Amino acid sequence: EDQVTQSPEALRLQEGESSSLNCSYTVSGLRGLFWYRQDPGKGPEFLFTLYSAGEEKEKERLKATLTKKESFLHITAPKPEDSATYLCAVQARSSASKIIFGSGTRLSIRP
Amino acid sequence: DTAVSQTPKYLVTQMGNDKSIKCEQNLGHDTMYWYKQDSKKFLKIMFSYNNKELIINETVPNRFSPKSPDKAHLNLHINSLELGDSAVYFCASSQETIANYGYTFGSGTRLTVV
Repeated sequence: EDQVTQSPEALRLQEGESSSLNCSYTVSGLRGLFWYRQDPGKGPEFLFTLYSAGEEKEKERLKATLTKKESFLHITAPKPEDSATYLCAVQARSSASKIIFGSGTRLSIRP
Repeated sequence: DTAVSQTPKYLVTQMGNDKSIKCEQNLGHDTMYWYKQDSKKFLKIMFSYNNKELIINETVPNRFSPKSPDKAHLNLHINSLELGDSAVYFCASSQETIANYGYTFGSGTRLTVV
């Protein structure tokens, strides 16, 4: 069964303190891995898609990387406005019409 | 503005009632979805429609019935509401090939059954 596990469940950082969020996945043939950001009371907002091991994507202070079993979302010198829940999701080749989400990492950046 | 819009944003109702949630997208996407987000923040797919045709129907009680009058609209009707139906329901849309751009989500409908 396709599955996505994210860790840690919650992470509190000081402003400027870099760290990484982990997404481990089990899928029968990965078509794509997605990262989303979700702010309280809002829907998830798309950040990145990664397709194959070794691929990296960057956006401002965020960089997503992918291996055959996991993905990392690296956040460099975060700011308070980066506080949100970050969701990882996978799309399998066998069921391309749906994506499966992890439960997210709640990131809190203290000024 | 181009977006996925859901109404209502909040819905409080008693057990046993029937309620509907509406969703509209003006992005020209072919596929629309309903997801349920529980208290632990897991987003689980319920239904997916492509050009008004049902393509995904996960293990969801048959009290939940989606309806797609056209490819820009996907409504969710829930009969005989139960306490366990309390959650946030998200509508989303995508181009048929979603791997490039992911989904565009609405802002959610928080359903509370009392």
